[in-house]
Amino acid sequence: KAGVTQTPRYLIKTRGQQVTLSCSPISGHRSVSWYQQTPGQGLQFLFEYFSETQRNKGNFPGRFSGRQFSNSRSEMNVSTLELGDSALYLCASSAPSSYNEQFFGPGTRLTVL
Amino acid sequence: GQQLNQSPQSMFIQEGEDVSMNCTSSSIFNTWLWYKQDPGEGPVLLIALYKAGELTSNGRLTAQFGITRKDSFLNISASIPSDVGIYFCAGQPGGTSYGKLTFGQGTILTVHP
Repeated sequence: KAGVTQTPRYLIKTRGQQVTLSCSPISGHRSVSWYQQTPGQGLQFLFEYFSETQRNKGNFPGRFSGRQFSNSRSEMNVSTLELGDSALYLCASSAPSSYNEQFFGPGTRLTVL
Repeated sequence: GQQLNQSPQSMFIQEGEDVSMNCTSSSIFNTWLWYKQDPGEGPVLLIALYKAGELTSNGRLTAQFGITRKDSFLNISASIPSDVGIYFCAGQPGGTSYGKLTFGQGTILTVHP
C-alpha cells in the first residue's frame, strides 16, 4: 500500500498570505489528523476529520481550518499567515479498526517570510 | 492540558550498547505509541501498546505500557548506526479524543560507530 502523501513538500509564503496544504491518506483509512511541528512547541494537534466531519480540534486560532472530501483526502488552510506559522505540517491517517495507530506523511515545510 | 515528559532529552552511545528511554504523564492514557523521526521526514510508528502492563517487541525494540497507565518505556538493544534519530512517545486518552495524540518532547539518539 502506498503511504500517506502530502503536497507540496516545501512552501514559502509571506506574512498576510494564505496557504492550502493537501494530504492523501493510506487507501482504506478514513481518519485524518493534522499536526504542527516546531522546535519550540514540538508536535501539536490541529484537528481530526472522519467521514468529512471534524470530530476534534486542538488549541489553534480560527485562521487554521481544514476539510475532508468524500474520498478521505484532506486539506488544511491557514489564512493571514504570521511568522510564527513557519513549521512542518504533518498529516496522519488511521484505519477504522485501529484508529489510535496513526501513520504519518512526510510533511509540508512551510516558511513564512 | 495533558503533557508528556520524555527523558532523556538526548543520548550519545556507542554502537552495540542498549538504550532506554521513558515517558510519564500527569493523566491516564488508554494507548501508548512510540515513533521514530528522521530528518526531513514524518514520524514512523514503531510500537503501539493498548493494555496496562503490556510488553511488546518489534525486532530489537521493546516497549512497555506502565501499570499505572501514566507511563511507558522503550528499550533498544544492541544499537546500530541506523538507530540514529528522534524518538517520540505519544499517548491517547481514549473517549472522545478522536485522532488526537499527545506527544513527548522527543529523545535525540546519536550512535557512534
